Amino acid sequence: ETGVTQSPTHLIKTRGQQVTLRCSSQSGHNTVSWYQQALGQGPQFIFQYYREEENGRGNFPPRFSGLQFPNYSSELNVNALELDDSALYLCASSAPLAGGGEQFFGPGTRLTVL
Amino acid sequence: AQKVTQAQTEISVVEKEDVTLDCVYETRDTTYYLFWYKQPPSGELVFLIRRNSFDEQNEISGRYSWNFQKSTSSFNFTITASQVVDSAVYFCALSEAAYSGAGSYQLTFGKGTKLSVIP
Repeated sequence: ETGVTQSPTHLIKTRGQQVTLRCSSQSGHNTVSWYQQALGQGPQFIFQYYREEENGRGNFPPRFSGLQFPNYSSELNVNALELDDSALYLCASSAPLAGGGEQFFGPGTRLTVL
Repeated sequence: AQKVTQAQTEISVVEKEDVTLDCVYETRDTTYYLFWYKQPPSGELVFLIRRNSFDEQNEISGRYSWNFQKSTSSFNFTITASQVVDSAVYFCALSEAAYSGAGSYQLTFGKGTKLSVIP
């Protein structure tokens, strides 16, 4: 069984640029959630995708957007990058009707904005 | 609003000592789930345990044990006979119950406790 995978591993961008991060969910999982983890902090919920639609959003501005594809993989897009967007971006997937919110995380993408 | 507090920022113990990581949560939901995750230096969050709000039984898994007390809104994690491989950041998290087919909902994390086990 393949776990959650994310690409790229690391990314360096400059302020004002746009970035796309990718996530492949674990086999059999149809829900994908994205989290931002700043250095020394706990992960913060960005949004969740289920059945290719946004299914909940945290306190992040509209320049953070996402997609989910029919194979349940997902993308996180961030426009007009700011220095504070530098963080580890984590993707998590969960199985349908898990009920308990059990989420399995990928290794993350480390984004640095200069 | 949900909130998770991990008051211990960093803990250092000598190998083979027992250590308890504290977690206190706040929620208005009557049904919710609590979690512990481990984040080693590699960065990937590793799921350790899930507990629902109706099950206050303590759980033991090898050297790990968890104490859930609804009366004090606490969900503490104890590692017995700690090992160097236990060194990591540990996060406590809270989620409301998911009733949709999505099967999960957003996790609210604490700020984490960095555990260092010294050989």
